[in-house]
Amino acid sequence: AQKITQTQPGMFVQEKEAVTLDCTYDTSDPSYGLFWYKQPSSGEMIFLIYQGSYDQQNATEGRYSLNFQKARKSANLVISASQLGDSAMYFCAMSPANTGNQFYFGTGTSLTVIP
Amino acid sequence: DVKVTQSSRYLVKRTGEKVFLECVQDMDHENMFWYRQDPGLGLRLIYFSYDVKMKEKGDIPEGYSVSREKKERFSLILESASTNQTSMYLCASSSTGPRNYEQYFGPGTRLTVT
Repeated sequence: AQKITQTQPGMFVQEKEAVTLDCTYDTSDPSYGLFWYKQPSSGEMIFLIYQGSYDQQNATEGRYSLNFQKARKSANLVISASQLGDSAMYFCAMSPANTGNQFYFGTGTSLTVIP
Repeated sequence: DVKVTQSSRYLVKRTGEKVFLECVQDMDHENMFWYRQDPGLGLRLIYFSYDVKMKEKGDIPEGYSVSREKKERFSLILESASTNQTSMYLCASSSTGPRNYEQYFGPGTRLTVT
């Protein structure tokens, strides 16, 4: 069975500080993709970053980086230099290669950036 | 620019009504998905489609059906709405290729069944 776990229902971070949002996953498929999405209060899901299971390097997109530890089955999102606009729900998702692009989502982490 | 649109942002229906939620994407994507999102449960897949006239059940298909007559349009149907179907409904689409690509989401429809 495929499973995504986000153990932090809520997180707080001071503006300009870095924050790590945790995500662990479970799959028996050797090939899979890992994704992070941001959902502001407006409700729209915004794609942030992708990591392939065979990628050697950790993915980075601007202030976002994905700390991929394959042996531990973790895919933590690191946001550097937090901004007030980063306050949102963050969802981790996994897509095993043999599922036709089907995604499995975690329950999300609510991040609040404090001025 | 990538675009997924949903027919309504907010919808209020009565118990027993037939409800149609429409989703349209303009990216020529093969794959389309319907999710519902509830607090503390994340996003749960209801149905998805790989191609026109094709559909696959997701994790929670009971009480729902779908229709995909054209590539760009994927409809979610609640045959007889019930109060436990009050939720946020999100549509998404993605392309097909050598890897699984990110899904692009619509703005969501917040459905209330009274």
